[in-house]
Amino acid sequence: GNSVTQMEGPVTLSEEAFLTINCTYTATGYPSLFWYVQYPGEGLQLLLKATKADDKGSNKGFEATYRKETTSFHLEKGSVQVSDSAVYFCALSEGTGRRALTFGSGTRLQVQP
Amino acid sequence: GAGVSQSPSNKVTEKGKDVELRCDPISGHTALYWYRQSLGQGLEFLIYFQGNSAPDKSGLPSDRFSAERTGGSVSTLTIQRTQQEDSAVYLCASSLVTAVGETQYFGPGTRLLVL
Repeated sequence: GNSVTQMEGPVTLSEEAFLTINCTYTATGYPSLFWYVQYPGEGLQLLLKATKADDKGSNKGFEATYRKETTSFHLEKGSVQVSDSAVYFCALSEGTGRRALTFGSGTRLQVQP
Repeated sequence: GAGVSQSPSNKVTEKGKDVELRCDPISGHTALYWYRQSLGQGLEFLIYFQGNSAPDKSGLPSDRFSAERTGGSVSTLTIQRTQQEDSAVYLCASSLVTAVGETQYFGPGTRLLVL
């Protein structure tokens, strides 16, 4: 079956530090990959996505590249802000058949001023 | 335009009671999904609708859980004879179609507490 593995949190960084949140996956076929973010008190929002190998998704300074050879989709940001404090979820959906998202366990990011 | 809405936002019930959770998807979205977010299990898929039919119910944890969708729009998730382990945040999402890589848009969730 499908699965997504994310690094355990919380991740605590100082403002302007570099962020990496690791995500690896197991899937049949050719999945699409997503990062969703959940800010405190808010619902899940799509942050970025990639639908095929070597695609790079980007949004709000965050980037992630779909690496088929390493089955990874690591999230990066060059300079985090306090407002980036949230829980980040890596997810996949299969290329065929089931469209439901399979989520990782989430990584809480805390950015200190 | 309006996003996905869910009601109620919070629900406290007693063990053994039935509850109904409602989801209003984004207008025109043909696909609708229910997920559950709990401390022990993370985010889990429950059921998916394409129009009014549910081609994938594989995530429903027991026969106490059921869902329907009418008019290709509003969906109701019903939990019968609630148990304490049903306590969780129930999330609804919708997408325009069910194409590869289609974005799912999530509602704010219904927080269910079973006493």
